[in-house]
Formats: sequence, C-alpha cells, structure tokens
Amino acid sequence: GAVVSQHPSWVICKSGTSVKIECRSLDFQATTMFWYRQFPKQSLMLMATSNEGSKATYEQGVEKDKFLINHASLTLSTLTVTSAHPEDSSFYICSARDSGDSNSPLHFGNGTRLTVT
Amino acid sequence: AQKVTQAQTEISVVEKEDVTLDCVYETRDTTYYLFWYKQPPSGELVFLIRRNSFDEQNEISGRYSWNFQKSTSSFNFTITASQVVDSAVYFCALRTISGGYNKLIFGAGTRLAVHP
Repeated sequence: GAVVSQHPSWVICKSGTSVKIECRSLDFQATTMFWYRQFPKQSLMLMATSNEGSKATYEQGVEKDKFLINHASLTLSTLTVTSAHPEDSSFYICSARDSGDSNSPLHFGNGTRLTVT
Repeated sequence: AQKVTQAQTEISVVEKEDVTLDCVYETRDTTYYLFWYKQPPSGELVFLIRRNSFDEQNEISGRYSWNFQKSTSSFNFTITASQVVDSAVYFCALRTISGGYNKLIFGAGTRLAVHP
C-alpha cells in the first residue's frame, strides 16, 4: 500500500536553531501534502497545505515565516521550523494522497517529535 | 462550519469486552467523507475506514464495525472482543468540499485502554 515516510522521527534542538522535517511519498506521487501539528493528548491541527511547484497555503494563525514549507517535487515536501523556541515543541505529522487515484485516502507519515530546549 | 465531536475522552475496558467509540459530525455539505484513524503509542496514524455520505451501509471488518447514521450525524465505531493491542487513540475525521476538498477535520480523539 501507499507509504509516506517522514524523517527524522525525533529531533532535539536548541532554541534559536532551525529544524527541517522531510515528508516523502514512497510509491506514489502527491501534488499536495499536508502538515499537521499535535500537542500532547490533543487532536491534530492542520498547519498548512503544501503544493508542488507553488506556495503553500497556511491555516489561520500559522506563521508562514516561522514554518517554511517547500514542495519541490511530486514526492517530497519539507517543513522547516525556523528559530525554534520551546513552545514549538510538538509532534509534527505529514500526510499525502496519491494524485493519480481520486479514491485514495490520506496516508500519514510516522510523525516527527520535536523537542526544543 | 464543519466540526467533529468525540465526546468520550478516555475509555477503559477489560480484554474481550465490546466497546463503542462515538463520533458526531457537523456539516452543511451534502457530499462529504468520514474517516476513522488509529494512533498507537508509537504515534503513526493508521487508516481504518472511509465512508462517503451517500453510502449508509454499515461495515464490518473482522472485530471492527462501523455504524453510519445520517439522521443523527453519527459515525460510531465498535470493537468486538477487544484486545490489548487495540489500546490506542482513535480519531474520527471529516472531509468536505466546502471545507477544502483535501483537508481533514479531526475530532479530539478517544483514548482507549484495554486491560488484560
């Protein structure tokens, strides 16, 4: 079945540094990918929609200059948390759907647990 | 507005008990999709089922079954003869056209603990 690979699985960084998270669709192409954020024991909140070859669409309240998204190919989207602060510590998870299959459900990566110290 | 409500925050059962997870949704769209995902402690989201708004047939897959009732805007999930491996957080989600075709709106999730 369709697989979405997310890397790294976890990362610890210091305040002020930037962290890049990769999301890859391994056996399908995805013109659109989605980035979600999940705080402990809470639901998933959509942060932004990543569009291949164009700008990402951010949800209300999400700072686009802080969460940089690049979708340079049909199989790769990256999320960069810039100048990270402890409040950015969270579980980030991406998802994608097979662009060639209108019936395909959203498939999720395994998530990235970010801890900012 | 689109919304998904999972009123049960946590459920604790003993192995072999049946358990039902409730999901109530809100949307004005006539075409929409409903989903259930499982999130085990490892964090990944596992797709369980998708239902479109025109298909109210209930579905059974092994120990899992789903009851979709448009009249009450509910899409409940039952696990029969629960097992310890069923312990996870379960999310109900909604996708609509007006809400952004590809966007999933998640409920708050229900944490299920199955004890031996």
